[in-house]
Parts: sequence; structure tokens; C-alpha cells
Amino acid sequence: AQSVTQLGSHVSVSEGALVLLRCNYSSSVPPYLFWYVQYPNQGLQLLLKYTSAATLVKGINGFEAEFKKSETSFHLTKPSAHMSDAAEYFCAVSKSTGRRALTFGSGTRLQVQP
Amino acid sequence: KAGVTQTPRYLIKTRGQQVTLSCSPISGHRSVSWYQQTPGQGLQFLFEYFSETQRNKGNFPGRFSGRQFSNSRSEMNVSTLELGDSALYLCASSLDLARTSGNEQFFGPGTRLTVL
Repeated sequence: AQSVTQLGSHVSVSEGALVLLRCNYSSSVPPYLFWYVQYPNQGLQLLLKYTSAATLVKGINGFEAEFKKSETSFHLTKPSAHMSDAAEYFCAVSKSTGRRALTFGSGTRLQVQP
Repeated sequence: KAGVTQTPRYLIKTRGQQVTLSCSPISGHRSVSWYQQTPGQGLQFLFEYFSETQRNKGNFPGRFSGRQFSNSRSEMNVSTLELGDSALYLCASSLDLARTSGNEQFFGPGTRLTVL
């Protein structure tokens, strides 16, 4: 069984500040991990993914995440927040073999203050 | 390439009715998955189709069903609607879950279903 825990349903940062969104996962097999972003009234857009290659993954819009197996974590960071980053962010896990449906965390709403 | 399209974007139904939602995947993508998004339960996997066959199913009652056509387009159906079925239904397509590293899924904008 797989699960994802996102710590903090709401995160508020100032424009230009560091963004850190936390994700911890549980998986019985080596996982694939993803971060998606959802803007209001839109679907999900993939930010980045970890698929057992480099543990530091760079994504779109300046986001990156580091896979830490010992901590079962996959936290999302961005050095400097922009107003346009305000959205909801979802961490997701899937198996690396067999059936690969995504299991999502509960989401973190990021607010960026001017 | 055009993205995943879903129709209709908004739908209002009453309890007891049934509804059919449609999803057209990205050209060349053979796998289509459906997810339900609600404020209370978050994003939950409904089912996945590949080559017109259901390959995986989430934990939803039998009122939720789907199918996939030979052109990879997919429909999902919900019968005997309940108030709790009000949600955003998202469709996602991918090339081939069995062979594509990372299972990258591309999501459509969703169909927002309101049950009154």
C-alpha cells in the first residue's frame, strides 16, 4: 500500500522568500514520486518527477525536489517565490512496477504575499 | 499537440439521475485514468483503461463505471447520482503505463459535476 502525507494544508510566504512544501511518503516497493500544481478551475500540471535516477530533481518554473529515502521525504522547494506561484500543490506516489495509479496527498495551498 | 480535453466542463444533475463524462486523451496516448476530486476526500483514483480494457480500479461503488473506445477516447458513467458525487472529475492520459518510465500522466481541465 502507498500513502502520501503533506504537512501543512496552507503555507504563506512573502514574495522573494524561500518556498518549502513538505511531502512524506510510504510505499512497499520503490516508488515514483511527483509534484503537481493546480491553479483555480484548472486540471493538474506536472512540476517534476522522481523515477530512481538523480535524487535531486529539477522541474519547471524554478522548482526542485530532493528524494531522501532514509527520511521517506520528497520536499518541494523554490528559492524565490513569485506571486504567480500561488496555487495548490499536490505530492503523489505511484509504484515503479505493476499497476501505477497515482496516490495523492491532501494538497498544500500556497499563498504568496506581496 | 492538443492536450487532454474533457466535456462538458460543467454539469448540474439531480439525485437519482445518471451522467456520462467524456475524455479525449493526447494523440498517441493509449492509457486513460479517471480521478475524483472533492474538498473532503481529496484526489482519489477511480479507474484506468488501456486498449479498451479496464486495467486498474479504485475503491468506488459499482455506480461508477467507464469504458474506452478504439480511438482511446474514454467515458465514465455515474448512475443513480447522490449528493456526495458532486466533485471535479479529472481525466489523465499517458503513453503506456507498462513501458513508460515514471508513469507521467497529463491531466485535463476536469468536469465539475454538481448534484442537487
